[in-house]
Amino acid sequence: KQEVTQIPAALSVPEGENLVLNCSFTDSAIYNLQWFRQDPGKGLTSLLLIQSSQREQTSGRLNASLDKSSGRSTLYIAASQPGDSATYLCAVRDDYKLSFGAGTTVTVRA
Amino acid sequence: SAVISQKPSRDICQRGTSLTIQCQVDSQVTMMFWYRQQPGQSLTLIATANQGSEATYESGFVIDKFPISRPNLTFSTLTVSNMSPEDSSIYLCSVEFRDQYQETQYFGPGTRLLVL
Repeated sequence: KQEVTQIPAALSVPEGENLVLNCSFTDSAIYNLQWFRQDPGKGLTSLLLIQSSQREQTSGRLNASLDKSSGRSTLYIAASQPGDSATYLCAVRDDYKLSFGAGTTVTVRA
Repeated sequence: SAVISQKPSRDICQRGTSLTIQCQVDSQVTMMFWYRQQPGQSLTLIATANQGSEATYESGFVIDKFPISRPNLTFSTLTVSNMSPEDSSIYLCSVEFRDQYQETQYFGPGTRLLVL
Protein backbone atom coordinates (compact mmCIF):
# COMPACT_ATOMS: atom_id res chain seq x y z
CA LYS A 1 0.00 0.00 0.00
CA GLN A 2 1.35 3.41 -0.98
CA GLU A 3 2.18 5.70 1.94
CA VAL A 4 2.74 9.41 1.31
CA THR A 5 4.40 11.61 3.91
CA GLN A 6 4.76 15.38 3.88
CA ILE A 7 7.23 17.27 6.01
CA PRO A 8 6.92 19.69 7.68
CA ALA A 9 3.26 19.58 8.74
CA ALA A 10 3.27 23.37 9.16
CA LEU A 11 5.52 26.21 8.10
CA SER A 12 5.49 29.93 8.87
CA VAL A 13 7.77 32.30 6.97
CA PRO A 14 8.08 36.05 6.42
CA GLU A 15 7.03 37.42 3.07
CA GLY A 16 9.71 37.16 0.42
CA GLU A 17 11.33 34.03 1.77
CA ASN A 18 11.53 30.94 -0.43
CA LEU A 19 9.43 27.92 0.57
CA VAL A 20 10.56 24.29 0.41
CA LEU A 21 7.93 21.61 0.89
CA ASN A 22 8.85 17.94 0.96
CA CYS A 23 6.92 14.84 -0.05
CA SER A 24 8.03 11.21 0.19
CA PHE A 25 6.34 8.03 -0.96
CA THR A 26 7.03 4.37 -0.27
CA ASP A 27 6.34 2.71 -3.63
CA SER A 28 8.37 4.15 -6.49
CA ALA A 29 6.19 2.48 -9.15
CA ILE A 30 4.13 5.61 -9.66
CA TYR A 31 2.44 6.94 -12.76
CA ASN A 32 2.72 10.60 -11.84
CA LEU A 33 2.85 12.99 -8.88
CA GLN A 34 0.62 16.00 -8.46
CA TRP A 35 0.85 18.99 -6.12
CA PHE A 36 -2.38 20.65 -5.01
CA ARG A 37 -3.28 23.71 -3.02
CA GLN A 38 -6.24 23.73 -0.61
CA ASP A 39 -7.57 26.96 0.83
CA PRO A 40 -9.73 26.92 3.98
CA GLY A 41 -13.30 26.03 3.09
CA LYS A 42 -12.39 25.41 -0.53
CA GLY A 43 -11.64 22.45 -2.76
CA LEU A 44 -8.31 21.49 -4.26
CA THR A 45 -6.50 23.41 -6.98
CA SER A 46 -4.00 21.54 -9.11
CA LEU A 47 -0.63 23.31 -9.15
CA LEU A 48 1.81 21.04 -10.94
CA LEU A 49 1.84 17.51 -12.32
CA ILE A 50 5.06 15.61 -12.91
CA GLN A 51 5.02 12.47 -14.99
CA SER A 52 7.10 9.56 -13.72
CA SER A 53 9.54 10.06 -16.60
CA GLN A 54 10.11 13.72 -15.75
CA ARG A 55 12.50 15.26 -13.24
CA GLU A 56 10.79 18.59 -12.69
CA GLN A 57 8.00 20.95 -13.68
CA THR A 58 7.82 24.71 -13.41
CA SER A 59 4.97 27.18 -13.38
CA GLY A 60 5.72 30.80 -12.54
CA ARG A 61 7.18 30.95 -9.04
CA LEU A 62 6.55 27.24 -8.48
CA ASN A 63 9.00 24.47 -9.25
CA ALA A 64 8.49 20.81 -8.39
CA SER A 65 11.16 18.14 -8.62
CA LEU A 66 10.74 14.37 -8.65
CA ASP A 67 13.26 11.69 -7.74
CA LYS A 68 11.26 8.54 -8.32
CA SER A 69 14.01 6.12 -7.37
CA SER A 70 14.35 7.61 -3.89
CA GLY A 71 10.61 8.27 -3.53
CA ARG A 72 10.85 12.02 -3.08
CA SER A 73 9.40 15.21 -4.49
CA THR A 74 10.03 18.80 -3.48
CA LEU A 75 7.89 21.84 -4.17
CA TYR A 76 9.73 25.15 -4.24
CA ILE A 77 7.85 28.43 -4.06
CA ALA A 78 10.04 31.44 -4.76
CA ALA A 79 9.61 34.84 -3.13
CA SER A 80 6.60 33.86 -1.03
CA GLN A 81 3.60 36.16 -0.70
CA PRO A 82 0.78 36.29 1.87
CA GLY A 83 -1.52 34.93 -0.86
CA ASP A 84 0.54 31.73 -0.85
CA SER A 85 -0.84 30.90 2.60
CA ALA A 86 -2.71 27.60 2.21
CA THR A 87 -2.34 23.86 2.72
CA TYR A 88 -0.26 22.13 0.05
CA LEU A 89 -1.00 18.49 -0.70
CA CYS A 90 1.15 16.01 -2.54
CA ALA A 91 -0.55 13.08 -4.29
CA VAL A 92 0.97 10.14 -6.14
CA ARG A 93 -0.87 8.15 -8.73
CA ASP A 94 -0.34 4.45 -9.18
CA ASP A 95 -2.62 2.48 -11.48
CA TYR A 96 -5.92 4.33 -11.18
CA LYS A 97 -5.93 6.08 -7.81
CA LEU A 98 -4.32 9.01 -6.06
CA SER A 99 -2.76 8.57 -2.64
CA PHE A 100 -2.48 11.81 -0.69
CA GLY A 101 -0.13 13.09 1.96
CA ALA A 102 -1.52 14.86 5.01
CA GLY A 103 -0.35 18.23 3.68
CA THR A 104 1.87 21.11 4.73
CA THR A 105 0.05 24.18 6.04
CA VAL A 106 1.92 27.31 5.02
CA THR A 107 1.55 30.75 6.58
CA VAL A 108 3.32 33.68 4.92
CA ARG A 109 3.55 36.65 7.27
CA ALA A 110 3.32 40.12 5.77
CA SER B 1 -9.52 21.52 -17.25
CA ALA B 2 -13.01 21.15 -15.83
CA VAL B 3 -15.52 23.12 -13.81
CA ILE B 4 -16.97 20.91 -11.11
CA SER B 5 -19.84 21.89 -8.84
CA GLN B 6 -21.19 20.12 -5.78
CA LYS B 7 -24.47 20.42 -3.93
CA PRO B 8 -24.98 21.04 -1.12
CA SER B 9 -21.87 23.00 -0.19
CA ARG B 10 -22.47 22.22 3.46
CA ASP B 11 -25.08 20.61 5.68
CA ILE B 12 -25.78 19.78 9.29
CA CYS B 13 -27.60 16.48 9.74
CA GLN B 14 -28.99 14.38 12.54
CA ARG B 15 -27.58 10.94 13.22
CA GLY B 16 -29.46 8.12 11.55
CA THR B 17 -30.47 10.19 8.53
CA SER B 18 -29.03 10.10 4.99
CA LEU B 19 -27.65 12.82 2.74
CA THR B 20 -27.18 12.73 -1.01
CA ILE B 21 -24.39 14.83 -2.48
CA GLN B 22 -24.50 15.80 -6.14
CA CYS B 23 -21.52 16.38 -8.42
CA GLN B 24 -21.88 18.06 -11.81
CA VAL B 25 -19.10 18.47 -14.38
CA ASP B 26 -19.18 20.85 -17.30
CA SER B 27 -17.83 18.26 -19.76
CA GLN B 28 -18.09 14.54 -20.30
CA VAL B 29 -15.70 12.40 -18.33
CA THR B 30 -15.29 8.67 -18.03
CA MET B 31 -13.97 8.39 -14.50
CA MET B 32 -15.32 10.18 -11.46
CA PHE B 33 -14.02 9.73 -7.95
CA TRP B 34 -15.42 10.37 -4.49
CA TYR B 35 -13.07 11.27 -1.63
CA ARG B 36 -13.50 11.90 2.06
CA GLN B 37 -11.40 14.31 4.10
CA GLN B 38 -11.93 13.87 7.81
CA PRO B 39 -11.07 16.77 10.13
CA GLY B 40 -7.33 17.40 10.22
CA GLN B 41 -6.59 14.54 7.84
CA SER B 42 -5.84 14.11 4.19
CA LEU B 43 -8.04 12.79 1.44
CA THR B 44 -9.07 9.15 1.27
CA LEU B 45 -10.62 7.63 -1.82
CA ILE B 46 -14.07 6.19 -1.20
CA ALA B 47 -14.92 4.83 -4.63
CA THR B 48 -14.47 5.18 -8.37
CA ALA B 49 -17.60 5.68 -10.45
CA ASN B 50 -17.63 4.91 -14.15
CA GLN B 51 -20.71 5.57 -16.22
CA GLY B 52 -22.67 2.44 -17.00
CA SER B 53 -21.06 0.22 -14.39
CA GLU B 54 -21.16 -0.38 -10.66
CA ALA B 55 -18.92 1.81 -8.55
CA THR B 56 -15.70 0.27 -7.27
CA TYR B 57 -15.20 0.77 -3.54
CA GLU B 58 -11.93 1.03 -1.69
CA SER B 59 -11.10 -1.06 1.34
CA GLY B 60 -13.11 0.11 4.33
CA PHE B 61 -15.99 1.54 2.30
CA VAL B 62 -19.14 -0.37 1.36
CA ILE B 63 -22.02 0.24 -1.01
CA ASP B 64 -24.67 0.01 1.70
CA LYS B 65 -23.10 2.93 3.54
CA PHE B 66 -22.05 5.00 0.51
CA PRO B 67 -24.29 4.18 -2.47
CA ILE B 68 -23.20 5.94 -5.65
CA SER B 69 -25.05 6.68 -8.85
CA ARG B 70 -23.51 7.60 -12.20
CA PRO B 71 -26.40 8.06 -14.62
CA ASN B 72 -24.42 9.88 -17.32
CA LEU B 73 -20.99 11.23 -18.22
CA THR B 74 -21.40 14.58 -16.44
CA PHE B 75 -23.16 13.72 -13.19
CA SER B 76 -22.79 11.54 -10.09
CA THR B 77 -24.27 11.31 -6.61
CA LEU B 78 -22.88 9.97 -3.35
CA THR B 79 -25.24 9.13 -0.51
CA VAL B 80 -24.00 8.97 3.06
CA SER B 81 -26.45 6.59 4.73
CA ASN B 82 -27.48 6.14 8.35
CA MET B 83 -25.10 8.87 9.39
CA SER B 84 -23.18 9.01 12.66
CA PRO B 85 -20.92 11.80 14.01
CA GLU B 86 -17.93 9.88 12.62
CA ASP B 87 -19.19 10.69 9.13
CA SER B 88 -18.55 14.39 9.72
CA SER B 89 -16.10 15.21 6.92
CA ILE B 90 -15.59 17.06 3.70
CA TYR B 91 -16.72 14.97 0.74
CA LEU B 92 -15.13 15.83 -2.60
CA CYS B 93 -15.78 14.60 -6.08
CA SER B 94 -13.04 14.50 -8.64
CA VAL B 95 -12.73 13.86 -12.35
CA GLU B 96 -9.82 12.80 -14.47
CA PHE B 97 -8.90 14.21 -17.82
CA ARG B 98 -6.56 12.40 -20.13
CA ASP B 99 -4.73 13.78 -23.09
CA GLN B 100 -1.94 12.23 -25.09
CA TYR B 101 0.61 13.39 -22.54
CA GLN B 102 -0.86 13.00 -19.09
CA GLU B 103 -3.77 12.28 -16.81
CA THR B 104 -4.77 15.06 -14.43
CA GLN B 105 -7.36 15.02 -11.66
CA TYR B 106 -9.52 18.03 -10.85
CA PHE B 107 -11.60 18.47 -7.74
CA GLY B 108 -14.91 20.02 -6.85
CA PRO B 109 -15.25 22.53 -3.99
CA GLY B 110 -16.38 19.88 -1.53
CA THR B 111 -19.42 19.30 0.67
CA ARG B 112 -18.89 19.99 4.35
CA LEU B 113 -20.98 17.63 6.44
CA LEU B 114 -21.52 17.86 10.17
CA VAL B 115 -23.47 15.07 11.85
CA LEU B 116 -24.90 15.75 15.28
